[in-house]
Amino acid sequence: GENVEQHPSTLSVQEGDSAVIKCTYSDSASNYFPWYKQELGKGPQLIIDIRSNVGEKKDQRIAVTLNKTAKHFSLHITETQPEDSAVYFCAASEDESSGSARQLTFGSGTQLTVLP
Amino acid sequence: ETGVTQSPTHLIKTRGQQVTLRCSSQSGHNTVSWYQQALGQGPQFIFQYYREEENGRGNFPPRFSGLQFPNYSSELNVNALELDDSALYLCASGRGYTGELFFGEGSRLTVL
Repeated sequence: GENVEQHPSTLSVQEGDSAVIKCTYSDSASNYFPWYKQELGKGPQLIIDIRSNVGEKKDQRIAVTLNKTAKHFSLHITETQPEDSAVYFCAASEDESSGSARQLTFGSGTQLTVLP
Repeated sequence: ETGVTQSPTHLIKTRGQQVTLRCSSQSGHNTVSWYQQALGQGPQFIFQYYREEENGRGNFPPRFSGLQFPNYSSELNVNALELDDSALYLCASGRGYTGELFFGEGSRLTVL
């Protein structure tokens, strides 16, 4: 089965700096890679995702890059703000049109702290 | 905030008991998945339902079972609770097999 590794486990940055979180995956069949933000006491919130037919995707201050050859993908947050502080999870799954379940395999999470 | 709602938000059970957790999917979504999130870890896939049938299961024993109803709401049932079942249980709904998954706030289960 799929295995997703995520680094670092904790990350502290100064407000306004950039933050980068990296993930690697093992199953070459995986082709969908979402990122979730989880605040304390809440469920994971989808913030951005990327599919294997593109190498990069941006949404305002957030970007995700994907290297299928190396089987790794990264989340980039620019101009960080205190409200970006949360746990971030990467995940991977195989898009299936045959009726199989969308099964996300998650990384272990990164606690991001943005210091004012 | 997603339209996925879960109940109850917190509950405490003792070992050996049974528990039922409920989920109301976001409007327009026809798949529902359940995940278990232990403290300090990423969510783990339990199973997914589509058209009221289970169409995928992770590495969880049969004492974890579920239902999806015609209105796309769902239940997760866990029998013979064990201490290790203490976790946050997350429901996620989506559209079809390839759409994004949107999570609810979760049900925090404590087994004593």
